[in-house]
Amino acid sequence: DAKTTQPNSMESNEEEPVHLPCNHSTISGTDYIHWYRQLPSQGPEYVIHGLTSNVNNRMASLAIAEDRKSSTLILHRATLRDAAVYYCILRDGQTSYDKVIFGPGTSLSVIP
Amino acid sequence: DAGVTQSPTHLIKTRGQQVTLRCSPISGHKSVSWYQQVLGQGPQFIFQYYEKEERGRGNFPDRFSARQFPNYSSELNVNALLLGDSALYLCASSWRLGGTEAFFGQGTRLTVV
Repeated sequence: DAKTTQPNSMESNEEEPVHLPCNHSTISGTDYIHWYRQLPSQGPEYVIHGLTSNVNNRMASLAIAEDRKSSTLILHRATLRDAAVYYCILRDGQTSYDKVIFGPGTSLSVIP
Repeated sequence: DAGVTQSPTHLIKTRGQQVTLRCSPISGHKSVSWYQQVLGQGPQFIFQYYEKEERGRGNFPDRFSARQFPNYSSELNVNALLLGDSALYLCASSWRLGGTEAFFGQGTRLTVV
């Protein structure tokens, strides 16, 4: 099963950019890189996903290494509402039988 | 548009009892997944269903079972409840398997006493 590793925690000052790293050295060619975040007492929220190219949406940017063995979620200007646990997971885009593995994620603290 | 809805939101059961949790996916989504989340840990995958067929199973005992109905809603059943089954149970829906984004409900908080 494909797995990811992330730092347990990170801190950022409000209104500064945040770079959240994720390593996935065993990624396969059909695995998509997904990021979700979870605020206290809520279900996880989809943030962004990509396969090979960098991706941007209204929430964040995803930078994927050329060898795809690592990726970085970029929050351009952290706000207090971005304080959450961020999960990086892999999902096979061509499987007919799926098994999703979440790690413990990165707990992001935003300092006012 | 309605998101993923789960019921009930909270539940208290006694050891040895059985429980049924329900999930309604986003309209048009054909895949539903179930997760168990213990406090302080990431979600643990239990089951995935797509087009009413099981398409993924995590490392959970046979006390856990699920099914998906023709309208794509889903139920998770847990028999012979143990204290260790106390957790937040999350349901996620997506329009197909694999690479597409999943949308999570707010979860059902199960407490076993």
